[in-house]
Amino acid sequence: DTGVSQDPRHKITKRGQNVTFRCDPISEHNRLYWYRQTLGQGPEFLTYFQNEAQLEKSRLLSDRFSAERPKGSFSTLEIQRTEQGDSAMYLCASSLDQNTEAFFGQGTRLTVV
Amino acid sequence: GIQVEQSPPDLILQEGANSTLRCNFSDSVNNLQWFHQNPWGQLINLFYIPSGTKQNGRLSATTVATERYSLLYISSSQTTDSGVYFCALAFNKFYFGSGTKLNVKP
Repeated sequence: DTGVSQDPRHKITKRGQNVTFRCDPISEHNRLYWYRQTLGQGPEFLTYFQNEAQLEKSRLLSDRFSAERPKGSFSTLEIQRTEQGDSAMYLCASSLDQNTEAFFGQGTRLTVV
Repeated sequence: GIQVEQSPPDLILQEGANSTLRCNFSDSVNNLQWFHQNPWGQLINLFYIPSGTKQNGRLSATTVATERYSLLYISSSQTTDSGVYFCALAFNKFYFGSGTKLNVKP
């Protein structure tokens, strides 16, 4: 297994466009997490899934953000009508189960111009 | 809510020196992890350590769950140790500290 994989690694988009990121967790990991990180800050929680069920969403996840994990495998994070403030590194992680060791992907760096 | 505090926020070392990074947390530990963020932004697992002491080469970590803190020791530091170190507490999701930025000078 090659670990958590995120695609794309970099994305530059114009303000107002929609973007979608993909995360492939480690196989057989039931938990999948999305975090966002801006320069000089620690990662901020966005949402997490237990299999296909989205169990919690942060208040940071406005109406423009949506995440899915169909069939409990890969996950997508979509941002609609992007704003400059959405520019950040988006990190995905997976763990076997609740409170077990988590592994992070390489991240997707989003720049909104 | 759950609070995770790391200290110091910044640390500058001469190559070969030793250092101790601290992580204080406000709640009981289900899982505590230490990460090193590489220059490309990926979080690399260092330790999964809800309690006790672990060692991996020049790095070791100790978590004292009853006193709600964890320590990361780096011995004989190298320039490749530079970067940001995060601790994260698991309570359904992961709560991150703000990190310690380490700069090891040759």
